[in-house]
Amino acid sequence: KAGVTQTPRYLIKTRGQQVTLSCSPISGHRSVSWYQQTPGQGLQFLFEYFSETQRNKGNFPGRFSGRQFSNSRSEMNVSTLELGDSALYLCASSSQPKDTGELFFGEGSRLTVL
Amino acid sequence: AQTVTQSQPEMSVQEAETVTLSCTYDTSESNYYLFWYKQPPSRQMILVIRQEAYKQQNATENRFSVNFQKAAKSFSLKISDSQLGDTAMYFCAFMKLGAGSYQLTFGKGTKLSVIP
Repeated sequence: KAGVTQTPRYLIKTRGQQVTLSCSPISGHRSVSWYQQTPGQGLQFLFEYFSETQRNKGNFPGRFSGRQFSNSRSEMNVSTLELGDSALYLCASSSQPKDTGELFFGEGSRLTVL
Repeated sequence: AQTVTQSQPEMSVQEAETVTLSCTYDTSESNYYLFWYKQPPSRQMILVIRQEAYKQQNATENRFSVNFQKAAKSFSLKISDSQLGDTAMYFCAFMKLGAGSYQLTFGKGTKLSVIP
């Protein structure tokens, strides 16, 4: 079974640009969540989607948005990029209704904002 | 809101020795999961061990075991017979049960180095 796939793995943008990151969950997983990882703030929850609906959102500005498609693939978008948005963005998927709570993570998308 | 604290930013252990990583958390919830996740230098985070708060018995997974003290809100990870492949960042994480949403609250992590 393929794991969680994130694309692109690395990208460089400049301030003011926008970026879209993609995540394909493990087959059969309907929950996809996103986390931002930085050296200073650690791992912070961005949002979680289930069956195309956002169920939960972390404390991030409105520049951060996401969506989920009918095949459970998810995208997150960051508009008007700031230097502080440089981070590793991790996607995780989870199965339902098997409620083990375990999240399966992708390798991440490393965003550098110049 | 929940908080998770890992007080040891870095630790090292000799190969084949035992090491314990500390984690404390703060919550008003009564039903929750606690996890230890491992993030090797390649960056993919993987689950090491999981503990349901309602279970008094400490979870074990091969060389990995936890000491779960619910009243003290403590959740430490013990790695026995440390191996070079255990070198990684280790994150303690909390998840509220029954919330209808899978959200993890992570600690800042402990960087573990296993020395040959």
